[in-house]
Amino acid sequence: DQQVKQNSPSLSVQEGRISILNCDYTNSMFDYFLWYKKYPAEGPTFLISISSIKDKNEDGRFTVFLNKSAKHLSLHIVPSQPGDSAVYFCAASYSGTYKYIFGTGTRLKVLA
Amino acid sequence: GAGVSQTPSNKVTEKGKYVELRCDPISGHTALYWYRQSLGQGPEFLIYFQGTGAADDSGLPNDRFFAVRPEGSVSTLKIQRTERGDSAVYLCASSLTTGAPAEAFFGQGTRLTVV
Repeated sequence: DQQVKQNSPSLSVQEGRISILNCDYTNSMFDYFLWYKKYPAEGPTFLISISSIKDKNEDGRFTVFLNKSAKHLSLHIVPSQPGDSAVYFCAASYSGTYKYIFGTGTRLKVLA
Repeated sequence: GAGVSQTPSNKVTEKGKYVELRCDPISGHTALYWYRQSLGQGPEFLIYFQGTGAADDSGLPNDRFFAVRPEGSVSTLKIQRTERGDSAVYLCASSLTTGAPAEAFFGQGTRLTVV
């Protein structure tokens, strides 16, 4: 039972344009969400997070949007840069636990 | 060191053998996690330590897997009687715990191959 789903395994975007990565979840108890970026042969690197009390969190070129009623979150990267090419994982957690449930990832390729 | 360190970075072992994977968390981080990532999948939770004790080991697949953190810092993941299906990248992470979920910092992983 996949509680966190990333239905797009890959995405290609032109440099300078917006990248939108999507994530859906099924467990309504989740109240904290994170995005991680992973380069080959490296561990995941934390990118940005959002608590369920917010619907948006912004950090530089990265913005995460949370739609609790739809159980959906998205990561927007604008403008996209070739160095953003990596696998992006969505993860969720809930109060009282510190474990994260990860999605299967979306491979982003930013074309120069 | 500045980040989470895992050793070895690669381990090849024969089916049936015993392996130990080591994790050095970020200094001062009380929470330590082990995850496993198979090809094409996201990291899968195995176990979480708060200090020296395993606060949640619900992700360990069976009793061949065991992890310790005797002094609340370094942790060792131990796998007995390895099987080919255990082949994966084993990731360790650590975080501060402040009463709410916080971002975890991952090491580079240990790639385990069981032949």
